[in-house]
Amino acid sequence: NAGVTQTPKFRVLKTGQSMTLLCAQDMNHEYMYWYRQDPGMGLRLIHYSVGEGTTAKGEVPDGYNVSRLKKQNFLLGLESAAPSQTSVYFCASSYDRLGIQYFGAGTRLSVL
Amino acid sequence: SQQGEEDPQALSIQEGENATMNCSYKTSINNLQWYRQNSGRGLVHLILIRSNEREKHSGRLRVTLDTSKKSSSLLITASRAADTASYFCATVKTSYDKVIFGPGTSLSVIP
Repeated sequence: NAGVTQTPKFRVLKTGQSMTLLCAQDMNHEYMYWYRQDPGMGLRLIHYSVGEGTTAKGEVPDGYNVSRLKKQNFLLGLESAAPSQTSVYFCASSYDRLGIQYFGAGTRLSVL
Repeated sequence: SQQGEEDPQALSIQEGENATMNCSYKTSINNLQWYRQNSGRGLVHLILIRSNEREKHSGRLRVTLDTSKKSSSLLITASRAADTASYFCATVKTSYDKVIFGPGTSLSVIP
């Protein structure tokens, strides 16, 4: 049982480069989320989706874009990476809006 | 400011002791959730407690919720080295569509 799978696990970028993080879930969940985790700050919501074809901004959306073309996939894009985007990124999904979230293993991103 | 904040930030205990972590929040909630994160891994859900519940148990875990004090506690009894992890509370505000995570408590259980 895969659950939530994130790729890649690690990535190093140079300032200004772009990349896409992929999240896939096999639980048929409607809701999907992208968070970033920084030391001492817990998880902060970047963007989320309440269903296929929908996206919405979270707490810290600037510098990121997302797409949910298929129900099982949620993509996070960085168009022009900045050192401030060095972080660990987590994807999560949930069956309902206020319920339990299932997390992927994370992507460690360093922007030099 | 954050909706939920855990206390203490870090806790170190001996194996076999009980560990208690607290979470305080500011506004009324629909439910409160506790998650565990092992080093280098994603978060794993432990317990969800709804606003009309006062206590829930799951194995060695006991969660209490006091809505009048806007606080919750997570008790881990008879701790094991494998309980070493960060623990996060997540609050869901009433009439709010997002889950807000606190900064977490880092628990170290010394064998």
